[in-house]
Order: sequence, then structure tokens, then C-alpha cells
Amino acid sequence: DTGVSQNPRHKITKRGQNVTFRCDPISEHNRLYWYRQTLGQGPEFLTYFQNEAQLEKSRLLSDRFSAERPKGSFSTLEIQRTEQGDSAMYLCASSPSGGGAEAFFGQGTRLTVV
Amino acid sequence: GDSVTQMEGPVTLSEEAFLTINCTYTATGYPSLFWYVQYPGEGLQLLLKATKADDKGSNKGFEATYRKETTSFHLEKGSVQVSDSAVYFCALSDNNQGGKLIFGQGTELSVKP
Repeated sequence: DTGVSQNPRHKITKRGQNVTFRCDPISEHNRLYWYRQTLGQGPEFLTYFQNEAQLEKSRLLSDRFSAERPKGSFSTLEIQRTEQGDSAMYLCASSPSGGGAEAFFGQGTRLTVV
Repeated sequence: GDSVTQMEGPVTLSEEAFLTINCTYTATGYPSLFWYVQYPGEGLQLLLKATKADDKGSNKGFEATYRKETTSFHLEKGSVQVSDSAVYFCALSDNNQGGKLIFGQGTELSVKP
């Protein structure tokens, strides 16, 4: 297993367009997380899945954002009607269940909305 | 809600200097505490962790002790190297909240030869 993989690595889109990002977690990990990181800040939690169930969504995740994890494998994060304020690095992480479990991060997808 | 506060950067040190990066937290439960590091051009990776009070996490010469009485998890290294230049993030997670991580804002460390 090569770790957590995210695609694309970079995305430039025009305001108002829809974008979709993909995350492939480490195969035996049942938890998958999405975070958003802006310049000079720490990552902020967006949502997480336990297997295919989306168990928590941050209030940062407006109704323009949707995430799925069909069959508990890869996950997608879609942003509809993008705004300039959506420009950020979107990070995916996966971990096994259990207290103190290490989360492994992908390299992220950098979104620029112009 | 739970939160993490860490000292602001950037921190600039000479090689072989002693490093401390302060981190304090607020949490309603009994969180696990982490230090993650982000080297230039790379993704976040775990540096060390501690899962209960008085535990000491250590890795690559870095150490941090989980202090419940002062709600702190300060990162230390006795002698930094140029290769330690990176951004360091303190974080907590509560398994009762699904293990999501709550991060501090990050501290940039620059080590000069």
C-alpha cells in the first residue's frame, strides 16, 4: 500500500463551477477524514466517515459541499458553485478505529478559484 | 468546544540550539495528543503522540509530555538540525468524537547552519 492518495493534486476553476476531488485511503483503514487548510493555518475538520457512513459534518461544510464514501472505500468531495473563499488545500486522512490511532494524510488537493 | 493553541512562529534557531514549541489545549474529555510535522513540499506526517496523562511521546530526538494539570504538550529537542526546518502542528483527538483531529495554527521552524 502506498499510503493515502489524492487526486488531482492541483485544480484551478472559475467561480461558479463545480469541482470534485477523490481520496483513496489506506485499504484497511475504516475511518476517513476530510480537512481544509488555508495559508498559515492548521487544518480544519470538515467531515468523517466510518466505513461508508458519514458520521459527522462540520458547520464549515455548507450545503454546497457534499462528500461520499461508497462501499467504504474511496471518497469524493464535491463543491458546487465554487466561490473564491473556497480556495484552499483540501486534505484527506485515514486511520483505523481506536483511541489515539495515527491518522495518515494524503498530500492534498490545492484548489484555486479564479 | 475543544481547541489547541500553540506558540506563534516563525521560530529561527541556529543549528544545535535547544527547541521548545509551546502547546496548550482545552478539552472536555480525555483526548490523545499529537505533534504532526509538514516538511517543505510534503504532506503532514505524525511526529509523536501521547494517549494519556504523563505519557511521553518521542521520535527523531523530539519529545513531548502530556501534562494534564497544565493542559500542555510542549515539543522539545535538545539539538536541532537544518533538516528539522518545517511547520509543526500540535493536535488533539477524542475517540468519543470519532477521532477527528483539532489542530493548532502551526509553528514554522527555520534552522540556520
